[in-house]
Amino acid sequence: AQSVTQLDSHVSVSEGTPVLLRCNYSSSYSPSLFWYVQHPNKGLQLLLKYTSAATLVKGINGFEAEFKKSETSFHLTKPSAHMSDAAEYFCVVSDPLGFQKLVFGTGTRLLVSP
Amino acid sequence: IAGITQAPTSQILAAGRRMTLRCTQDMRHNAMYWYRQDLGLGLRLIHYSNTAGTTGKGEVPDGYSVSRANTDDFPLTLASAVPSQTSVYFCASSETGGVNTGELFFGEGSRLTVL
Repeated sequence: AQSVTQLDSHVSVSEGTPVLLRCNYSSSYSPSLFWYVQHPNKGLQLLLKYTSAATLVKGINGFEAEFKKSETSFHLTKPSAHMSDAAEYFCVVSDPLGFQKLVFGTGTRLLVSP
Repeated sequence: IAGITQAPTSQILAAGRRMTLRCTQDMRHNAMYWYRQDLGLGLRLIHYSNTAGTTGKGEVPDGYSVSRANTDDFPLTLASAVPSQTSVYFCASSETGGVNTGELFFGEGSRLTVL
């Protein structure tokens, strides 16, 4: 069975500084991995996805993530945080053998201070 | 384009009452899903539908039922609500094969409080 662990429930950064949100996964198969973002009182929106192509994936709003099989990690980064980045971020893994096998992490809340 | 519309946005309900959360999409996606979001637990799949006329159980289906009479609508029913069903409910949709592409489109959620 697959699973994801988001290592931090909260991350606080100052505007203009780098963002790192950590995610480790476990999967019996070659996984597909995703990051979703949820702004307050909104639904989730896809940020980026990895599906066995390039290991460095670029997403919307300047975010990117690197798939590292040796470390079973898929950390989300951004060089310079903006106030509008304050939101909840979810790491998600899917198993290609199961139709509904999306597994969500517990989320990391990103706080951005001026 | 509206995407996914959920109603109501918020509801307080007495335990034992029946409640239906509505979900409508205008993207003609084949697959639809209901998730519940609870603090510290992320999102958990309640029920899903691959296509109109079919439904399936997710991770936490007990106490919930769904129907999929047509492509656009996917209501979630709590037959007799209990306090543990207090949560935020999200409806989502995807194109066929959505799990492998991973792109789900979410509504803005329905916050349900059962007293």
